[in-house]
Amino acid sequence: ETGVTQSPTHLIKTRGQQVTLRCSSQSGHNTVSWYQQALGQGPQFIFQYYREEENGRGNFPPRFSGLQFPNYSSELNVNALELDDSALYLCASSSGDRGTSYEQYFGPGTRLTVT
Amino acid sequence: AQSVTQLGSHVSVSEGALVLLRCNYSSSVPPYLFWYVQYPNQGLQLLLKYTSAATLVKGINGFEAEFKKSETSFHLTKPSAHMSDAAEYFCAVSRAAAGNKLTFGGGTRVLVKP
Repeated sequence: ETGVTQSPTHLIKTRGQQVTLRCSSQSGHNTVSWYQQALGQGPQFIFQYYREEENGRGNFPPRFSGLQFPNYSSELNVNALELDDSALYLCASSSGDRGTSYEQYFGPGTRLTVT
Repeated sequence: AQSVTQLGSHVSVSEGALVLLRCNYSSSVPPYLFWYVQYPNQGLQLLLKYTSAATLVKGINGFEAEFKKSETSFHLTKPSAHMSDAAEYFCAVSRAAAGNKLTFGGGTRVLVKP
């Protein structure tokens, strides 16, 4: 069984640029959630996708957007990058009806640095 | 709205001593509660979870946690610390009706002294 994978591992971008982060969910999982973890803080929920539709969003601006594909992999897109977007971005996958399974499996994360 | 408070951003214990990490939550509905561990430069690994079954929950690596509704607490303990327990620990809360989106506490970094 393959776990949750994320790419790239590290990324450096300049303020104002756009970035796309990718996540492959664990086999059999239909729900992907994205979290932002700033340095020294706990992860914060960005949004969740269930069967290719957004299923809830945290307190993040519209320049944070996402997609989920038919194979349940997912992308997180961030436009107009700001310095405060520098963080570890974590993807988690789970299964069940509209993501009701409480067992979320996390990937290793993508470290984004905005300069 | 849900929230999680972890008391103590850093905890230092001696190898072999008790590990106690405190977590208090607020939730308007019966919560699901979790403890995750994060090793340096890695993602989150689930230690244990409470989902309204037994109030004393046993997890991996010798950790356990007790759900106390009256105290709105879910403290994590391990009787004897090992050097490999040095990591950051996060308490989180969710509810099924919200698709189990997790709300995390700020984390507690554990240092184990030889």
